Amino acid sequence: QQKVQQSPESLIVPEGGMASLNCTSSDRNVDYFWWYRQHSGKSPKMLMSIFSNGEKEEGRFTVHLNKASLHTSLHIRDSQPSDSALYLCAASMLNTNTGKLTFGDGTVLTVKP
Amino acid sequence: EAAVTQSPRNKVTVTGGNVTLSCRQTNSHNYMYWYRQDTGHGLRLIHYSYGAGNLQIGDVPDGYKATRTTQEDFFLLLELASPSQTSLYFCASSDGGAGAETLYFGSGTRLTVL
Repeated sequence: QQKVQQSPESLIVPEGGMASLNCTSSDRNVDYFWWYRQHSGKSPKMLMSIFSNGEKEEGRFTVHLNKASLHTSLHIRDSQPSDSALYLCAASMLNTNTGKLTFGDGTVLTVKP
Repeated sequence: EAAVTQSPRNKVTVTGGNVTLSCRQTNSHNYMYWYRQDTGHGLRLIHYSYGAGNLQIGDVPDGYKATRTTQEDFFLLLELASPSQTSLYFCASSDGGAGAETLYFGSGTRLTVL
């Protein structure tokens, strides 16, 4: 069974600072990585996805992927208190044709005003 | 945005009780999923389905049954509930498969088994 490992478990950054979250898969067949964000008491919502080596930027959020090491990272610049949430990384494999996502245990981000 | 509705929002039952959690999506998505979320464990997949009448086993299926009666409706059944099944349950749907499409989640059902 595939494992998705996230680090750190929790992270505190000052408002305006940079937050960096990490995620690694144990399965070499993984094709896609996803980042979901879950605010307290709410349901997860997709933030960004990546399947090609390199980086992808959307506003203050940047995702990196290194397919050789099966490692992805999410970077949030100019962090805001509204970014405080649980960040979940997920991985999927295209060749299984199941739509199945495996999630990590998440990183709790707290942005201090 | 995709609409996924779960009911009930909260449920309390006793050990050995019978529970059915309901999920309906109104966006004609093919894939539907049941996840449970416990502190420190992220989201763990219980069962999922490609379409009406189809059922696939997830990563933590023990003690759970599921049934997809229509494209819109997916049910999770706990026939002999145990305290270890106390959790927050999320239903989700996606348009395509192969892990290449966004999952849209419902608001969750908090289940307590006494």
